[in-house]
Amino acid sequence: DAGVTQSPTHLIKTRGQQVTLRCSPKSGHDTVSWYQQALGQGPQFIFQYYEEEERQRGNFPDRFSGHQFPNYSSELNVNALLLGDSALYLCASSFWTGGGTGELFFGEGSRLTVL
Amino acid sequence: AQKVTQAQTEISVVEKEDVTLDCVYETRDTTYYLFWYKQPPSGELVFLIRRNSFDEQNEISGRYSWNFQKSTSSFNFTITASQVVDSAVYFCALSEGLVNYGGSQGNLIFGKGTKLSVKP
Repeated sequence: DAGVTQSPTHLIKTRGQQVTLRCSPKSGHDTVSWYQQALGQGPQFIFQYYEEEERQRGNFPDRFSGHQFPNYSSELNVNALLLGDSALYLCASSFWTGGGTGELFFGEGSRLTVL
Repeated sequence: AQKVTQAQTEISVVEKEDVTLDCVYETRDTTYYLFWYKQPPSGELVFLIRRNSFDEQNEISGRYSWNFQKSTSSFNFTITASQVVDSAVYFCALSEGLVNYGGSQGNLIFGKGTKLSVKP
């Protein structure tokens, strides 16, 4: 049973560029959440997608956007990259219950370096 | 506002010692979930435990145990007879939740983590 898979694992961009990160959820899961983890910090919630719609959003600017596809996979897009966007980006999948998501399963992350 | 504090930034122990990782949380919600995750160098967050705010029973799983005390807003994690493989960063997290539906909102508030080093 494949877990949560993310790509790419590492990438380097320069300021002002745009980046797209991808996530395939664990089999049977229909909800994807994205987190940003700066070095030495805990993960911070960016947003969550269910039924191809953004359901919740954390305190991140509009430069951060996402998408969920009919097969439940998801993309995170970041425009106009800043040095401060350098971080590990974690995707988590879960199964949506009546009152919200179930337990989160995380991927190994995409490490973004902005120069 | 919700907040999770892990005051211990780094802990170093020798193998077979017991170690306790502290977690203090703040929330105005009456229903919420608490979590512990382990993050090895590979980066993946590994789920260890989830407790809801109505269940204050302590839990033991092998060498791991958790002490949840609402009176002090703490959810501490103890590893008994630590092993080198326990070396990792451990995160405590909080989520508001609709406990009656068995789910959390998926928006986890994480602490800054405690880096545990277990030396042979």
